Amino acid sequence: EVQLLESGGGLVQPGGSLRLSCAASGFIFSSYAMSWVRQAPGKGLEWVSGIDGSGDSPYYADSVKGRFTISRDDSKGTMYLQMNSLRAEDTAVYYCAKESRYSYGQNYFDYWGQGTLLTVSS
Amino acid sequence: DIQMTQSPSSLSASVGDRVTITCRASQSIRGFLNWYQQKPGKAPKLLIFATSNLQSGVPSRFSGSGSGTDFTLTISNLQPEDFATYYCQQTHSSPRTFGQGTKVEIK
Repeated sequence: EVQLLESGGGLVQPGGSLRLSCAASGFIFSSYAMSWVRQAPGKGLEWVSGIDGSGDSPYYADSVKGRFTISRDDSKGTMYLQMNSLRAEDTAVYYCAKESRYSYGQNYFDYWGQGTLLTVSS
Repeated sequence: DIQMTQSPSSLSASVGDRVTITCRASQSIRGFLNWYQQKPGKAPKLLIFATSNLQSGVPSRFSGSGSGTDFTLTISNLQPEDFATYYCQQTHSSPRTFGQGTKVEIK
């Protein structure tokens, strides 16, 4: 059974840093791209960052580029999101998602974690 | 960035109704379009991938169609458990943008 478990959320002051983790199990972690998606309170889904199976090609939404860094440790089956220079607008539930591929470029997010809440406030 | 626009933003429907949600991309995304369902306090759930492919375990009353810039999600014979918010997502290019969501409420 595929399981994704996020951790690391909490309350952080503006300008602060935090690292989220996503522990994966039930599939060959190194074979799959992964993504982070966030949802601000009462708002829709926003894709934040993704990383392919090799970890060589991270990519980011413009809203977090230069502040967030995605990484993965295949030996631990874990993905991370290092978040620096946090702003109030980063407040959201952060979900990790496993990507599968139907054909070239046709990826989809077939499994999601339960989410972890980040609150940025003084 | 590719913008995804869903319509309507919300709708009211009754059990047994046929519901159609549309998603329009700001440029062609070929068939790189997925649909998700989200219930309050829960993670999104994949319904349909690559425009029209039903995810395993999803009831056949859900269907998807479209190409290029215009896509639809249809729920035939709406069931009580289908009242939720639905999102489209394009994976043609990064960033992998979502639509703003369509909330399906009970009439």
